[in-house]
Order: sequence, then C-alpha cells, then structure tokens
Amino acid sequence: KNQVEQSPQSLIILEGKNCTLQCNYTVSPFSNLRWYKQDTGRGPVSLTIMTFSENTKSNGRYTATLDADTKQSSLHITASQLSDSASYICVVRGDSGGGADGLTFGKGTHLIIQP
Amino acid sequence: DTAVSQTPKYLVTQMGNDKSIKCEQNLGHDTMYWYKQDSKKFLKIMFSYNNKELIINETVPNRFSPKSPDKAHLNLHINSLELGDSAVYFCASSRRIPSGRTTDTQYFGPGTRLTVL
Repeated sequence: KNQVEQSPQSLIILEGKNCTLQCNYTVSPFSNLRWYKQDTGRGPVSLTIMTFSENTKSNGRYTATLDADTKQSSLHITASQLSDSASYICVVRGDSGGGADGLTFGKGTHLIIQP
Repeated sequence: DTAVSQTPKYLVTQMGNDKSIKCEQNLGHDTMYWYKQDSKKFLKIMFSYNNKELIINETVPNRFSPKSPDKAHLNLHINSLELGDSAVYFCASSRRIPSGRTTDTQYFGPGTRLTVL
C-alpha cells in the first residue's frame, strides 16, 4: 500500500532558527514529490516539485531534498520567519495506484515559529 | 485576480439538509478536484473531473455528488448531511499534461468550512 509518512507531527522553533521536516514514502513506481505549505484558514500552496532525477531544489529560504533510493525527502527552512508558521504537506505521485490521480498525501507537519 | 474561488466560505446547517458548495477557476485548467480536510488536518481527495468527465471517485458516500456545468466550475452537492460531514472542503484545479496521466501542480481554493449541527 502506498504511504507517505511525515515527521515530526508538530514543531515549535524560535524566529531566525533553521529547521528540517521529513517525508518518507513507499509510493512505487515514483513519479514526483511535492511540498505544499498550508497557512491557517487557507488552501495549500505548492512550494517545490521534484522528479526522480532531482535531488535538491530551492525556493527562497525553502530547500527540498530527495533521495529516491531511500525514498526520503526533507524540507529545510532557513532563517525562519513568523510567516513560516503553517502546515507543510508532502504529496507523492506514483504512476499507478496511490489513491486518486496517483496522489498519496502525508498528514503534514504543523510548524510554529515563536518570536 | 482570484485563481480558484469557493462559495460559501462558511456553511452551518442542520443534519439531514441538502447543501451545495460552488467552485470556480479562471486558470484555464482542465482538471478540477474536491478534497475533504478533517479536524486532524488530513487532506483526502474525494473527486476529480477532467473535461467534464468524472475520472476518479474515491470511496465517498453517494450522498456526495460533483456537478460540472462547464470546464471552469465544479460544484459539490451533499444530500442528507450527517455530523461526520463536518470538515473543511477544498476545491483545486490543475492542467493535465497531454503526454501522460500526470497533471501539473494543483492550485487550491480557500476552502469552505462546513459545520453540521
């Protein structure tokens, strides 16, 4: 069964600090992996998308890594800001199965940045 | 300016009622989705529509029915509402890549918070 596990479930850090969120998946065959940011009361917004051949991709202070061999991805946030407080959702697309439209969603990591 | 819009933003209703949530996208996308996000913030896909055809239907009760009058709209009708239907419902849209089954990044609406009393 295709699964996406995220850790930690929640994280509290001080403004200005760095943090790393983890995503492990068992989706196979793998097509791509996305990280979404969901602010409270809003819909998710895509941060990065990575395919099999990419092992790192940056979007401003967000850097995602992918290890297709170990089926792990991480999202690193540098110099956190209060606006980074949100849920971060890892979504993996497989070429077959894995739920509707080949997508398997993680349950998200709830990140709180404290001043 | 709004890419994906939903109405209403909040919906409070009694058990047993029938309600609808509307969704519109102005991105020119050909695939639209409905998601349910429960109290634990877990997003679950319910339906997707591509070119006015239902192509994926997760194991949702048949009280839920998507209706697409045109490519830019996908409305969600819910009959005989139950307490367990209380959640936030998100509409999303994306572009289907012609060469394969995969679609481009999904753009989500702001969500509709449904409360069933």
